Amino acid sequence: QKEVEQDPGPLSVPEGAIVSLNCTYSNSAFQYFMWYRQYSRKGPELLMYTYSSGNKEDGRFTAQVDKSSKYISLFIRDSQPSDSATYLCAMIHSGGSNYKLTFGKGTLLTVNP
Amino acid sequence: SAVISQKPSRDICQRGTSLTIQCQVDSQVTMMFWYRQQPGQSLTLIATANQGSEATYESGFVIDKFPISRPNLTFSTLTVSNMSPEDSSIYLCSVGEGLSGNTIYFGEGSWLTVV
Repeated sequence: QKEVEQDPGPLSVPEGAIVSLNCTYSNSAFQYFMWYRQYSRKGPELLMYTYSSGNKEDGRFTAQVDKSSKYISLFIRDSQPSDSATYLCAMIHSGGSNYKLTFGKGTLLTVNP
Repeated sequence: SAVISQKPSRDICQRGTSLTIQCQVDSQVTMMFWYRQQPGQSLTLIATANQGSEATYESGFVIDKFPISRPNLTFSTLTVSNMSPEDSSIYLCSVGEGLSGNTIYFGEGSWLTVV
């Protein structure tokens, strides 16, 4: 079983739809949870990071963490064509002085005008 | 957040040659990392670049193939040695910020194609 599982999609939605992106993980040592957006041939852009279980909201984006179920989600409200990108979940379990990111495979999202 | 600049942004390299990628950050950072993203794949950590000491490599990556330098808190280099077509990837520099390094930012990446 991989440490982080993410449905690669592709996911195609109409403009204005609510998008739900999800990841599950197996290692309970993961402490920090992040979502990155990556446009084609660009570096990943940090969208959200969370630590505790619950919801964190930033504009049209909401990150949700359920540590008991080892499940995280990213919701995008009022999706726009400019949201079309690959979304990567990532997690850190800290140990010593190194902080290693473990990524999901990414979900390719297309928002159609 | 820190601004991360990588050079080159892309290159086409001959098999058997080596290429050094530079990463410059606009502020001092404790943690710097190098990732690889192969076509259609997610990101894989190559190594942690430690300032003033040898890099810490992940399983499957060795210093002879991917030598790394980190002379100060704002700069690092990754060399891809003796390249083969399997090394065709995006190579990404990243830095960690925050009390626990829990926010990690990436550069734009260096897209290498080995022919």
